[in-house]
Amino acid sequence: DAKTTQPPSMDCAEGRAANLPCNHSTISGNEYVYWYRQIHSQGPQYIIHGLKNNETNEMASLIITEDRKSSTLILPHATLRDTAVYYCIVNRGGSEKLVFGKGTKLTVNP
Amino acid sequence: GAVVSQHPSRVICKSGTSVKIECRSLDFQATTMFWYRQFPKQSLMLMATSNEGSKATYEQGVEKDKFLINHASLTLSTLTVTSAHPEDSSFYICSATSLGRVGGYTFGSGTRLTVV
Repeated sequence: DAKTTQPPSMDCAEGRAANLPCNHSTISGNEYVYWYRQIHSQGPQYIIHGLKNNETNEMASLIITEDRKSSTLILPHATLRDTAVYYCIVNRGGSEKLVFGKGTKLTVNP
Repeated sequence: GAVVSQHPSRVICKSGTSVKIECRSLDFQATTMFWYRQFPKQSLMLMATSNEGSKATYEQGVEKDKFLINHASLTLSTLTVTSAHPEDSSFYICSATSLGRVGGYTFGSGTRLTVV
């Protein structure tokens, strides 16, 4: 079973920041928080991951709470192409299997 | 960046026949590959994990004799759906990673299987 909880859906206006929350209250000390997204009828795409510190890359920022029980993925300037299902997954990395929950369907509106 | 190529992207087959789906890592050695299936409006469900040169590990409820997985090289894994039936129609997706790799796993673009 997935070890994360996400809202089923969210809407965001184009050009605005999209903030996607994720709860992972049972995360272990050696587990990372990963974010992936899946655009309709495509394979998932890796976005970002982090352990304790906040992370930023060209796609997004990841904010992890100090107790690591929740995190937020931030798309700073959402575009229509960011409409997708976003999955938050906790995983130890290496070759451990990824278990997908139901994710959050983000719709970016013009 | 890491690229995983999956073929075919779409396939239609007759009930009772077998279908093979290929998953190739193009620019890295994939020590581990994963196979998922996804039904409409549902999330990805892990079917099996395969390590190069070893037998695949199947998730509970997945029939190993029906879904044959081969991972004979560090760049290729195949999934064969044997004696396919209409209920096997689904979106099949592979992903790959390598030992010690930092960052996320790379996914193929998926295969839409329709059994008629």
